[in-house]
Amino acid sequence: ELKVEQNPLFLSMQEGKNYTIYCNYSTTSDRLYWYRQDPGKSLESLFVLLSNGAVKQEGRLMASLDTKARLSTLHITAAVHDLSATYFCAGSYTGNQFYFGTGTSLTVIP
Amino acid sequence: DAGVTQSPTHLIKTRGQQVTLRCSPKSGHDTVSWYQQALGQGPQFIFQYYEEEERQRGNFPDRFSGHQFPNYSSELNVNALWLGDSALYLCASSSLRGNTEAFFGQGTRLTVV
Repeated sequence: ELKVEQNPLFLSMQEGKNYTIYCNYSTTSDRLYWYRQDPGKSLESLFVLLSNGAVKQEGRLMASLDTKARLSTLHITAAVHDLSATYFCAGSYTGNQFYFGTGTSLTVIP
Repeated sequence: DAGVTQSPTHLIKTRGQQVTLRCSPKSGHDTVSWYQQALGQGPQFIFQYYEEEERQRGNFPDRFSGHQFPNYSSELNVNALWLGDSALYLCASSSLRGNTEAFFGQGTRLTVV
């Protein structure tokens, strides 16, 4: 079974600062996903990473994948309050179930 | 395109009762997966339906059952509700044939009292 671990679990950062969330997974995964979840809401897809070395960027968020290290990172650049949310990474085998990490609760402080 | 829709959005039930949650997948999708997300946790896989059959199942008791209809919509049934079944239930739709990304519905918040 694919095990996914995220760290940190909680992250409080000041506006304008940079930080990275780490996602380690235990076995080969076809795809690595990053999702955002606001309190009481569903999951919003941020990135799908398919291959080693994949890097995707959207606004202040950039995700990367290193399949050899079984590591994905979500880098936040110049954080703003609107980025406050819980971020999940999830691995999956094509067409099969998602295995989610425990989530990183991000709070951006003015 | 309505995307993935779930109903109801909120539900309160009493211990021992039964509940049915519903999910309509995104247009063009043929596969529905259900997840349970307890407060402060990541979603946990319950099961997946494809071609009206349960294709995979996570570590959930038989009290959790499901169904997929010919139009690809799906139901999740939970019998003999426990307090611990209180959670956000998420439905994800995808296309096994098209090997597409999965999209999540807005979820059903179930509270068992």
